Amino acid sequence: DIQMTQSPSTLSASVGDRVTITCRASQSVDSWLAWYQQKPGKAPKLLIYKASSLQSGVPSRFSGSGSGTEFTLTISSLQPDDFATYYCQQYNSYWTFGQGTKVEI
Amino acid sequence: QVQLVQSGAEVKKPGASLKVFCKASGSTFSDYYIHWVRQAPGQGLEWMGWINPNSGGTNYAQKFQGWVTMTRDTSISTVYMEMSRLTPDDTAMYYCATSLQLWLPFDSWGQGTLITVSS
Repeated sequence: DIQMTQSPSTLSASVGDRVTITCRASQSVDSWLAWYQQKPGKAPKLLIYKASSLQSGVPSRFSGSGSGTEFTLTISSLQPDDFATYYCQQYNSYWTFGQGTKVEI
Repeated sequence: QVQLVQSGAEVKKPGASLKVFCKASGSTFSDYYIHWVRQAPGQGLEWMGWINPNSGGTNYAQKFQGWVTMTRDTSISTVYMEMSRLTPDDTAMYYCATSLQLWLPFDSWGQGTLITVSS
C-alpha cells in the first residue's frame, strides 16, 4: 500500500498569510494526487486534482504542485473561510489519504 | 454534479450488522463509481471500496474484504454498504463519494452517516 505523510500536522496562521502544506508518498504516484478541505461536521471537498489542477469553483488562491513523491498545497492569502483540515490523497494505486493538516488561527 | 443523500445515524451493539444507503440524484446513476470512505472520531479518512452502479462490480480494500458488502438498486439510484460483526472500532462517520471514472479523486460526497457501536 502507498502511504501518504503530511506535514505539519497542525499549522497556526493568520488571515492574509501564505500557507504551504507538504505531502509525501511512500512511492511515486506520478501526478495522481488530490487535495481536499474538510470543515468540522462536513464532508471533504475536492480542491485540487492531478497535483495542480484546480477543481471548478475553487478560489484561485489555492494551488498545488509536485510530482512523484513530493507535493505541496499552497494558499496564497489565507481567508477566514480557509481555517479547516486539509488532506492529500493519492489515486495512482487505489486511494489513500494523508493524516491531515489542521490550519488554525 | 451528482448529489448524494445518505441514511441517518445509527447506534449498534457489538457483533451486530449495519446497512447504510446512499441515494444519488442529479446525474445518470450509471455514469460514475461510488466509493465508501470512513472517518473515525478525530481521525483521518480511510477508503473502504467502490461499486460500479452500472455493472454491480465491486472492489474492497483488503482490510474490509469479507465483512463489507456493497450493492446497488438501479431502480431507485441507491447504493448500499453493509458491514457485519461490528466492533467499537467501527464507530465512525461513513461517507459515500463519487468518481466520474475509476482512477479519479472523489468530486461529490454525501453528508455522512454516523455509526456508533457501543454496548
